[in-house]
Amino acid sequence: EDQVTQSPEALRLQEGESSSLNCSYTVSGLRGLFWYRQDPGKGPEFLFTLYSAGEEKEKERLKATLTKKESFLHITAPKPEDSATYLCAVPPSIKAAGNKLTFGGGTRVLVKP
Amino acid sequence: DTGVSQDPRHKITKRGQNVTFRCDPISEHNRLYWYRQTLGQGPEFLTYFQNEAQLEKSRLLSDRFSAERPKGSFSTLEIQRTEQGDSAMYLCASSLGPGLADEQYFGPGTRLTVT
Repeated sequence: EDQVTQSPEALRLQEGESSSLNCSYTVSGLRGLFWYRQDPGKGPEFLFTLYSAGEEKEKERLKATLTKKESFLHITAPKPEDSATYLCAVPPSIKAAGNKLTFGGGTRVLVKP
Repeated sequence: DTGVSQDPRHKITKRGQNVTFRCDPISEHNRLYWYRQTLGQGPEFLTYFQNEAQLEKSRLLSDRFSAERPKGSFSTLEIQRTEQGDSAMYLCASSLGPGLADEQYFGPGTRLTVT
């Protein structure tokens, strides 16, 4: 069964202190990997899709990268408004049917001013 | 706003009662998904529709749960004889298809509390 593991579970940063979040997956034949941001009490908000190893995507202070076994979400010079839970998710392998996403447990990021 | 909408946003019910939630997807999206999320966890897949056809159901979806998507538009998720373990956030998402990895866009969720 597909598995997604995120680390750390929680991250406390000072404003401006850059860091990285990790998402490791066990899917043979990756269709793609998604990153979402989730604020408390709200639904996940789509950030990025990565399709192949070596690919990078950027949005403001966030950059997502992908290798064959894991993905990283780098937060550069974070601001308090970057505080949220960041989720990664994968669809089934290219050999499997369906489109359900398997999510990791998320990393809760708190950026203090 | 043309995003995914869900109704109600909050529902408190007593154990044993039936509840029904509604999801309106983004208008041109033909794929619709239901997930459940408990505190501190990532969302877990429940079921998936392509147009009006229910193509996949999770083993999590016991026979007390039923979902429909009449005419391939909005969807409803019904939970019969609710139990305290059903307390969770119920999330709906939609995607355009037909790709193998199309982005799913989530609604704000319905928070269910079973007392």
